[in-house]
Amino acid sequence: EIVITQSPATLSVSPGERATFSCRASQSVNKKLAWYHQKPGQAPRLLIYDASIRATGIPARFSGSGSGTEFTLTISSLQSEDFGVYFCQQYNYWPLDIFGPGTKVDIK
Amino acid sequence: QVQLQESGPGLVKPSQTLSLTCAVSGASINSGDYFWSWIRQPPGKGLEWVGYIYYSGSTYYNPTLQSRVSMFVDTSKNQFSLTLTSVTAADTAVYFCARLSQDFRDPYYFDSWGQGTQVTVSS
Repeated sequence: EIVITQSPATLSVSPGERATFSCRASQSVNKKLAWYHQKPGQAPRLLIYDASIRATGIPARFSGSGSGTEFTLTISSLQSEDFGVYFCQQYNYWPLDIFGPGTKVDIK
Repeated sequence: QVQLQESGPGLVKPSQTLSLTCAVSGASINSGDYFWSWIRQPPGKGLEWVGYIYYSGSTYYNPTLQSRVSMFVDTSKNQFSLTLTSVTAADTAVYFCARLSQDFRDPYYFDSWGQGTQVTVSS
């Protein structure tokens, strides 16, 4: 069984600040990891896939890194529209649990 | 640009069957380039993958739901559907349909999502 954890559970950030959060897998998923952003009442939106590739239309302030079991999503300068919940998803092991529990980013 | 739109009853009684449909526009389910999937999110909680289907009708379900889930594809209408039997309050959630990228039939990430539809299980 693979377990995906995310930290921190909640992150308070001021607009313009840098935000960094982590996703950890209990087994190596190589680089098969995606990040999503979900605003309240909306569907998640794909931000990053293959650990570090920005999806179409995603601003350059979003960057992903990592491989194996440790991954990081960084927002270089948080904008007001960036608040919400960030989920990671591994796709190296199906049909096991694939989503992390999420990190909530709120206004400091 | 692909768009997905869920539809179906917002209220289902316990022990009955939940049925939802996802209409796809801007892309053809028939292309075979993607899987088509359902994901749900209980109130205040995280995301749970329900299952996915290929244009051929091949299906793959979350093992925890497998005994109650069925998915179907209607390529003539460019839509796919979900049924979940014997529902309980634990099935109350927002249900999203999504396009699932794949590589040599290995599922990857969800690159486009519908807006989601709230389904409440209650008598």
